Amino acid sequence: AQSVAQPEDQVNVAEGNPLTVKCTYSVSGNPYLFWYVQYPNRGLQFLLKYITGDNLVKGSYGFEAEFNKSQTSFHLKKPSALVSDSALYFCAVRPAGNMLTFGGGTRLMVKP
Amino acid sequence: GAVVSQHPSWVICKSGTSVKIECRSLDFQATTMFWYRQFPKQSLMLMATSNEGSKATYEQGVEKDKFLINHASLTLSTLTVTSAHPEDSSFYICSASGRGESTDTQYFGPGTRLTVL
Repeated sequence: AQSVAQPEDQVNVAEGNPLTVKCTYSVSGNPYLFWYVQYPNRGLQFLLKYITGDNLVKGSYGFEAEFNKSQTSFHLKKPSALVSDSALYFCAVRPAGNMLTFGGGTRLMVKP
Repeated sequence: GAVVSQHPSWVICKSGTSVKIECRSLDFQATTMFWYRQFPKQSLMLMATSNEGSKATYEQGVEKDKFLINHASLTLSTLTVTSAHPEDSSFYICSASGRGESTDTQYFGPGTRLTVL
């Protein structure tokens, strides 16, 4: 069975500093990998996805993620955090033909 | 990008009543729609998957007679919570995937907060 782990419940970063939100997965085959962001009392917004090709994927709002097959990781990154980036971030994996499996979520707090 | 709407955004109802939540894909045809439930400070729990014109597939532990799902067209799916009870209070989120570029990706609605008194 597939699983997704987001080892940090919360990540704190100062505005202007780089941020990383970690995600590792366990799934057979070559999965599709996704990052979503959720603001309070809102649904999830799609940020980016990795299907195939370049391991560095660029997405919305200046976010990017790096797919590392050997480490089975798909960490979300941004060079310079904004206070408005504060939200709940979900990593998700979808093995070919199967449903999305979500990580537990990581709350990002960016302080001015 | 692909847009999914939900209506209503929040609803308060009395115990024993039924509540219908609509999920619409606004700019693409949603061949598959998903319904999730999210408890406070928790991740999303998949309730069911529906394909247009066919019966929904429910996840283990989800009562199909209580959570009625209808995917009547390529742009509309509805979730009806029948005989709602306070323990059904939750944040319900739908998502949709479709044809073309939206095949690989699920696009989520803004969610519906249900409070059962």
